[in-house]
Amino acid sequence: DQQVKQNSPSLSVQEGRISILNCDYTNSMFDYFLWYKKYPAEGPTFLISISSIKDKNEDGRFTVFLNKSAKHLSLHIVPSQPGDSAVYFCAASESGTYKYIFGTGTRLKVLA
Amino acid sequence: SQTIHQWPATLVQPVGSPLSLECTVEGTSNPNLYWYRQAAGRGLQLLFYSVGIGQISSEVPQNLSASRPQDRQFILSSKKLLLSDSGFYLCAWNGTDKYEQYFGPGTRLTVT
Repeated sequence: DQQVKQNSPSLSVQEGRISILNCDYTNSMFDYFLWYKKYPAEGPTFLISISSIKDKNEDGRFTVFLNKSAKHLSLHIVPSQPGDSAVYFCAASESGTYKYIFGTGTRLKVLA
Repeated sequence: SQTIHQWPATLVQPVGSPLSLECTVEGTSNPNLYWYRQAAGRGLQLLFYSVGIGQISSEVPQNLSASRPQDRQFILSSKKLLLSDSGFYLCAWNGTDKYEQYFGPGTRLTVT
């Protein structure tokens, strides 16, 4: 049972445009969500997070939106840069469980 | 600042041989520690997590075990490797007061 889903395995975007990566979850008890960026043969790098008490969090070019009623979150990257090309994972956690459930990732390719 | 180390970076082992992967965290105390595996083309699968010395929670029944002999040391082991154990193994930590999880550089394990 995949509790965190990233239904788009890949996404291509032109440099300078907006990249939107989506993530859906099924467990309504999740109350903290994170996005990670991963290059091949490296560990994931933390990008941005959001608590369920918020619906938006912004950090530079990265913004995460949370729609609790739809159990959906998205990561917006504006403007996209070639260095953003990587695999992006969303993760969810339920407070008190110490566990993080990751999606299967979306490979973003930013075209110069 | 906190850093996380994993070794070895790459490992090629024959089927039936033992395994020991080590992870250490510096610059923090009493971290939550995690082992993940990323199989080829797959997402991050949580294998084990630990909230304290000697406390290990297993997420997926398998051929692997974990131990936490010291506060900032987490070890992943196997007595006899299987071909299906091949993958990219990642150690991660987070502080008890934060949700953000930080990953090590990973170990690429190939079982032949």
